[in-house]
Amino acid sequence: AQSVTQLDSHVSVSEGTPVLLRCNYSSSYSPSLFWYVQHPNKGLQLLLKYTSAATLVKGINGFEAEFKKSETSFHLTKPSAHMSDAAEYFCVVSGGSQGNLIFGKGTKLSVKP
Amino acid sequence: ETGVTQTPRHLVMGMTNKKSLKCEQHLGHNAMYWYKQSAKKPLELMFVYNFKEQTENNSVPSRFSPECPNSSHLFLHLHTLQPEDSALYLCASSLRLAGGNAGELFFGEGSRLTVL
Repeated sequence: AQSVTQLDSHVSVSEGTPVLLRCNYSSSYSPSLFWYVQHPNKGLQLLLKYTSAATLVKGINGFEAEFKKSETSFHLTKPSAHMSDAAEYFCVVSGGSQGNLIFGKGTKLSVKP
Repeated sequence: ETGVTQTPRHLVMGMTNKKSLKCEQHLGHNAMYWYKQSAKKPLELMFVYNFKEQTENNSVPSRFSPECPNSSHLFLHLHTLQPEDSALYLCASSLRLAGGNAGELFFGEGSRLTVL
């Protein structure tokens, strides 16, 4: 069965420092993986997706994620945080019931000036 | 502009009211979804429509009644709700892939519902 675990519910960084949001997945086959971002009182926006092409995926706003099959991980990174990056981030895996996506519980990112 | 539009953005209703949430997608997708997002809880999939046919109902109480008249429009009819139904209701759409996988979801901005 497919599942996804976001290892941190809350991450706090200072502006200009690197961001690392961790995600592990469980899948019986090669999955599609996504990261979504949600700013307060907004819908979810796709940051990036992995669909079995290049293992290093570049997304919007300077974010990227690396698919590591041996570690069953898909961590999200950014070299330098901006205040505007403060939001909630969701790691998502394909292959749920009826082919629906499975969402992680979310990681809230705070960025300090 | 995400291509998925939800109205109203905010709704306050009493427990005896009947109201509806509306979602419209302009992306040519073939599947539409309702999700519920409550504070401190994971995103909950409520309903899935694939080519206007309901393919998923995740044990949602009957006080929530979905309607999908065509591939571009999705409604969520609400009646006799409870205060614990207060949440952000998110609509999404996708191009459902061969084999039935959901594909990438495109979300609306949500309808914030408060039940008094």
